Amino acid sequence: GAGVSQSPSNKVTEKGKDVELRCDPISGHTALYWYRQSLGQGLEFLIYFQGNSAPDKSGLPSDRFSAERTGGSVSTLTIQRTQQEDSAVYLCASSPRPGGGLSGGARYEQYFGPGTRLTVT
Amino acid sequence: LAKTTQPISMDSYEGQEVNITCSHNNIATNDYITWYQQFPSQGPRFIIQGYKTKVTNEVASLFIPADRKSSTLSLPRVSLSDTAVYYCLVGEGPGSGNTGKLIFGQGTTLQVKP
Repeated sequence: GAGVSQSPSNKVTEKGKDVELRCDPISGHTALYWYRQSLGQGLEFLIYFQGNSAPDKSGLPSDRFSAERTGGSVSTLTIQRTQQEDSAVYLCASSPRPGGGLSGGARYEQYFGPGTRLTVT
Repeated sequence: LAKTTQPISMDSYEGQEVNITCSHNNIATNDYITWYQQFPSQGPRFIIQGYKTKVTNEVASLFIPADRKSSTLSLPRVSLSDTAVYYCLVGEGPGSGNTGKLIFGQGTTLQVKP
């Protein structure tokens, strides 16, 4: 079946502009995660949705970052007034069941999308 | 501060067994330990998961000591196609419940040579 999809695959934007990154999870998956992977670095957890709710938004790097999920499906990560340090690959993952807690935990297998490569010039 | 650490890189030869250890000294009491594999320009892919002792599937084994402060991913008889970055993932504590963030290790780049 269809996996997790993300759009756009690549985004180049000028410093100060707003960007929206989209994630389409696997149909029926309740949990959704956003991560950031800077060049040559590991994965940084940003936010987790259980259904349409995010129990904890403290993983978002700054108040320029926001995320929402509607209809228990599509999620959007928005970065306002982008900065050069926001350049990274943004990965989305979904999981068939929520793991509970503020981050969903590592209990259930996460299925990752291919990511959106964001470059801020 | 939660710390999840792995070796940055490892080299191996085809046919050898590879063991990658991750230290996670602040793992949440009731959370699991999961390992992922990532190839360039792709999202991570699930390999194996466990809570304690030993777990084995068709591609790997996972060894978890009683204190659960570390875990070791074992890849038997690696091939060139196993060249990738390997990450451990845990939910951090404190105490009981998985109340904290998800923490990925910094990743171990495994290079398999012919």
